[in-house]
Amino acid sequence: AQSVTQLGSHVSVSEGALVLLRCNYSSSVPPYLFWYVQYPNQGLQLLLKYTSAATLVKGINGFEAEFKKSETSFHLTKPSAHMSDAAEYFCAVSEGTASKLTFGTGTRLQVTL
Amino acid sequence: NAGVTQTPKFRVLKTGQSMTLLCAQDMNHEYMYWYRQDPGMGLRLIHYSVGEGTTAKGEVPDGYNVSRLKKQNFLLGLESAAPSQTSVYFCASKQISETEAFFGQGTRLTVV
Repeated sequence: AQSVTQLGSHVSVSEGALVLLRCNYSSSVPPYLFWYVQYPNQGLQLLLKYTSAATLVKGINGFEAEFKKSETSFHLTKPSAHMSDAAEYFCAVSEGTASKLTFGTGTRLQVTL
Repeated sequence: NAGVTQTPKFRVLKTGQSMTLLCAQDMNHEYMYWYRQDPGMGLRLIHYSVGEGTTAKGEVPDGYNVSRLKKQNFLLGLESAAPSQTSVYFCASKQISETEAFFGQGTRLTVV
C-alpha cells in the first residue's frame, strides 16, 4: 500500500518569507500526487496535482510543487507567505483502480507578522 | 452547480444511537468516497463506491455501513454510535477519466 509522510505537523513563517512544506511518498508505480488546503471549518480544496507531465507543477494562490522521483518527494513551496495562507495542508497520493486517496497527517501553517 | 453536498453539517449523538449521513453530488461522477478526519491522523478512507449499486471497504470500515442505491447519492450509516466515531466526515466524488476528487464541506459528528 502507498503511504505519505509529511514532516512537521506545524510550520510557522513570517509574512513575506518562503513557505516550504515537505511531503514524501512511497509507491511502487508512478503516482498521482496532490496537495490540498483546508481552511478552518471548511472542506478540502485542491491546490495542485502531479499527473506524470511536468515535474514542476504550479497551482493556485502562488503555490508550486516539484516532483522528484529519486527522492520520492513532492514538496510544496511559495516564495512569499501571506496571512491568508494560514491553513492546514495535506499531501495525498492516488492509488488503485478506484483512485483512492491516501493522505498524509497534515501540516498546519501559521503566518506571523 | 452545488458540487458535493453533505447533510447534516453538525450532529450530536448519544452512544448507541444510529444515524445516516447523506452525500449528494450533481456532477454525474462514478466514484464516491467517505473519509473521516481526526487530529494528527489526516483523512482516512472508510468506504468507497465505483458505481451505482457497488460498495467496498476502505482503511477504517468497522462500525460503518454504506449504500449507493442511486448514482448521485452515497449514504454512510452508523448503526450503534460509539465515542470513537467522533470525527469530521468528508464525502468526495470523482469522474473515472479525471484525476481530481471533489470534496464536500464535511459533517462534524460528536458521540457522547
